[in-house]
Amino acid sequence: KAGVTQTPRYLIKTRGQQVTLSCSPISGHRSVSWYQQTPGQGLQFLFEYFSETQRNKGNFPGRFSGRQFSNSRSEMNVSTLELGDSALYLCASSFGTGDGNTIYFGEGSWLTVV
Amino acid sequence: QKEVEQNSGPLSVPEGAIASLNCTYSDRGSQSFFWYRQYSGKSPELIMFIYSNGDKEDGRFTAQLNKASQYVSLLIRDSQPSDSATYLCAAYESGYSTLTFGKGTMLLVSP
Repeated sequence: KAGVTQTPRYLIKTRGQQVTLSCSPISGHRSVSWYQQTPGQGLQFLFEYFSETQRNKGNFPGRFSGRQFSNSRSEMNVSTLELGDSALYLCASSFGTGDGNTIYFGEGSWLTVV
Repeated sequence: QKEVEQNSGPLSVPEGAIASLNCTYSDRGSQSFFWYRQYSGKSPELIMFIYSNGDKEDGRFTAQLNKASQYVSLLIRDSQPSDSATYLCAAYESGYSTLTFGKGTMLLVSP
């Protein structure tokens, strides 16, 4: 059974550019969440999608956006990149959203902004 | 603000010993608790989760939850050097479908 797949794995962008990251959840999983991990702030929640609807959003500026497609694949976009956006971006997938649902992470996308 | 607190460590134990990792949380609305292991440069790997008071065992790992004390722990029996990693505790609130993470505890198991 394939796990959560994130692409690209590594990328370098310049300040002011935008970036799009992709996530394919485990087959059958309908909930996809995104997290940012930095050494100083740890893992922080960005947003969560379920059946193409964003149901919750973390405390990040509007430059961070996302969407989910009908096949549950998700993308997140960061516009006008800043140096502080350099981080590991993690996608998590689960079948549902109730208690007892296991939540698995992908390998992440390492973003460096220069 | 929901918070999950962990001792940053490092927690050093000899090979074969029991490692005890602890976590407290502030939000009584949190319903499930997850433990992830993260090696340097890698993504978090799910160890186990617990949502009922008491103990839950899976191989060498035992998670313990005390909702009255807002306390979660992870015991690792027969610790191995390969267990050396950062252990992340996360509280999950199903109504918001989010995980709130602690900063993690670094575990070092010496041969």
